[in-house]
Amino acid sequence: GQQLNQSPQSMFIQEGEDVSMNCTSSSIFNTWLWYKQDPGEGPVLLIALYKAGELTSNGRLTAQFGITRKDSFLNISASIPSDVGIYFCAGRGSNYQLIWGAGTKLIIKP
Amino acid sequence: NAGVTQTPKFRILKIGQSMTLQCAQDMNHNYMYWYRQDPGMGLKLIYYSVGAGITDKGEVPNGYNVSRSTTEDFPLRLELAAPSQTSVYFCATTGTGIWGSPLHFGNGTRLTVT
Repeated sequence: GQQLNQSPQSMFIQEGEDVSMNCTSSSIFNTWLWYKQDPGEGPVLLIALYKAGELTSNGRLTAQFGITRKDSFLNISASIPSDVGIYFCAGRGSNYQLIWGAGTKLIIKP
Repeated sequence: NAGVTQTPKFRILKIGQSMTLQCAQDMNHNYMYWYRQDPGMGLKLIYYSVGAGITDKGEVPNGYNVSRSTTEDFPLRLELAAPSQTSVYFCATTGTGIWGSPLHFGNGTRLTVT
């Protein structure tokens, strides 16, 4: 089946640092979605990407749909304590179902 | 403005017991989904429904059943609970039929089978 690799698995950062994470697929995707999950809650959509090369921002978050259509990136600028959580990418594969990455856990060092 | 409501939040089952996880939405969305989330893994689709009376299997349907008698409700049934079904279960909805459309999630049901 289709595989989606998300990295890194976890990140320890200082408040104020920029954060980058990415997802790569073994096949072409037509849609990329980035979600954030806080403890005890369901994932919440951050950014949706529908076109190769698309670059979209949501406040301090910026995501890009890779030109090859096999990858996507999420950047967070000037991280703050409320950015902690697990970030998931999801892509729409050839069978039109969403494939999910395993998540990137963001931890801010005190 | 509840959105997607899942009950219960937590449950412990013994092997072989059965239970129903409830999911209710007030957004008048046609499309509803059940996912399970295991530690260190991405979400896996169990079942989905494109409207009342219509359901279909997802990636990991074995051991589960669903029904969709109304637009609002989409319960997930476990008939003979097994330890492999220990997981966090999420219900989600979307208003359109496009798989890439953003999903609205409930807050999950954490199930432990011992």
